[in-house]
Amino acid sequence: AQSVTQLGSHVSVSEGALVLLRCNYSSSVPPYLFWYVQYPNQGLQLLLKYTTGATLVKGINGFEAEFKKSETSFHLTKPSAHMSDAAEYFCAVSTFNDMRFGAGTRLTVKP
Amino acid sequence: EAGVAQSPRYKIIEKRQSVAFWCNPISGHATLYWYQQILGQGPKLLIQFQNNGVVDDSQLPKDRFSAERLKGVDSTLKIQPAKLEDSAVYLCASSPPQGQGYEKLFFGSGTQLSVL
Repeated sequence: AQSVTQLGSHVSVSEGALVLLRCNYSSSVPPYLFWYVQYPNQGLQLLLKYTTGATLVKGINGFEAEFKKSETSFHLTKPSAHMSDAAEYFCAVSTFNDMRFGAGTRLTVKP
Repeated sequence: EAGVAQSPRYKIIEKRQSVAFWCNPISGHATLYWYQQILGQGPKLLIQFQNNGVVDDSQLPKDRFSAERLKGVDSTLKIQPAKLEDSAVYLCASSPPQGQGYEKLFFGSGTQLSVL
C-alpha cells in the first residue's frame, strides 16, 4: 500500500520567512497527492492537490507544492509566513480512492 | 453546500463501555470514510464504504469496532467495549462519485473520544 513520510514533526519559522514542509511518498502506481491543514479543534481542510498535469500546484492561502516524481516528493512551500498559518499540516497520498496520511508537521510562526 | 456532519462533538466514557458515532456525508457523495486520529499522529483509515458496501476495512479492529452505512447515506461507527487506547478523534469524510472530483475528500469536524 502507499505511504507518506513527513520530515520534521515540528517546524518553527519567523513571520515573513519562507515556509517549507517536507513530504515524501511511496506508491506502486501514479498517486494523487494532497496537503491538508488542521487548525485547533477543527476538521481537516484541503490546501491543494496534485492529480495530473502541471507539477507545480497552487493552493489556498498562498501555499504551493511541487510534485517531483524522480524524488518521490511533494514539498509544501509559502514565500512569507503569516501568524495565521500556525497549524498542523498533513501530507496525504491516494491511489484508487484509498487515502493515507503522514504523521503531520506542526508549524509554529514566531512574531 | 452543507458539509459532512458528525455527532457528538465530544464523548467521555469509561473503559469497557460502548460508544457510537454518527456521520452524515455530503449529499450525493458515494464514498464514505472513517478515520482515527490519535493525538500527535496523522489520520488512519479505519473503514471505507462505497454506497453501502465495504471497500476496505483492513485496519478496523473488528473484535471491538463495527461500522455500518445503511441505505448508502448515513453511517455509524461503534466501539464495544472501549479501551484506553481508543482515545482519539474519529473523523468522517466523504468524496464525490468518480468523474466528479472523487479524489477529493471532505472532512467533518470529528468526534473527540476520551476513554477513562
